[in-house]
Amino acid sequence: AQSVTQLDSQVPVFEEAPVELRCNYSSSVSVYLFWYVQYPNQGLQLLLKYLSGSTLVKGINGFEAEFNKSQTSFHLRKPSVHISDTAEYFCAVSSRSNYQLIWGAGTKLIIKP
Amino acid sequence: NAGVTQTPKFQVLKTGQSMTLQCAQDMNHEYMSWYRQDPGMGLRLIHYSVGAGITDQGEVPNGYNVSRSTTEDFPLRLLSAAPSQTSVYFCASKTDGSVNTDTQYFGPGTRLTVL
Repeated sequence: AQSVTQLDSQVPVFEEAPVELRCNYSSSVSVYLFWYVQYPNQGLQLLLKYLSGSTLVKGINGFEAEFNKSQTSFHLRKPSVHISDTAEYFCAVSSRSNYQLIWGAGTKLIIKP
Repeated sequence: NAGVTQTPKFQVLKTGQSMTLQCAQDMNHEYMSWYRQDPGMGLRLIHYSVGAGITDQGEVPNGYNVSRSTTEDFPLRLLSAAPSQTSVYFCASKTDGSVNTDTQYFGPGTRLTVL
């Protein structure tokens, strides 16, 4: 069975500092990986996804993520955060054999001025 | 396009009451789903539908019913509300349920409190 672990429930960071949100998954088959963002009082929207090919994936709002198959990780990074990045970020996985998304518990990104 | 819409935005129920959460999408998506979001637990799938007339259970279906009479609408019914159903409910859709790589589009959510 697949599972997703987001290692931090909250990540506080100063404005303009870099940030990394960690995501690890477990799966015995090839996976597709997603990061979604939920701004306060809104629904989720896609930030980026890895399907195949280059392991470095670029998304919206300056975010990027790197797929590391050997470490079964898909960490999300941004070199310089802004107050508008305050949100909850969710990692999710699916596969060719399981088209339902399996979700992590989410990480709240808290930007300190 | 309005995307995925949900009504109501907020609802308070008493234990034992029933209600229907509405969800509609105007993107002609075949796949629709309902999730509940609870603190520290991410999203859990309640029910989903791969097309009109076809529904199936997700991870946490107990206490909920769904139907899909049209491509556009996918209402979620709470049969007899319980405090454990206090949660934020999200409806989502994507083009095709069999395509694992598709982006899901989410509605703004319904915040439900059961007293």
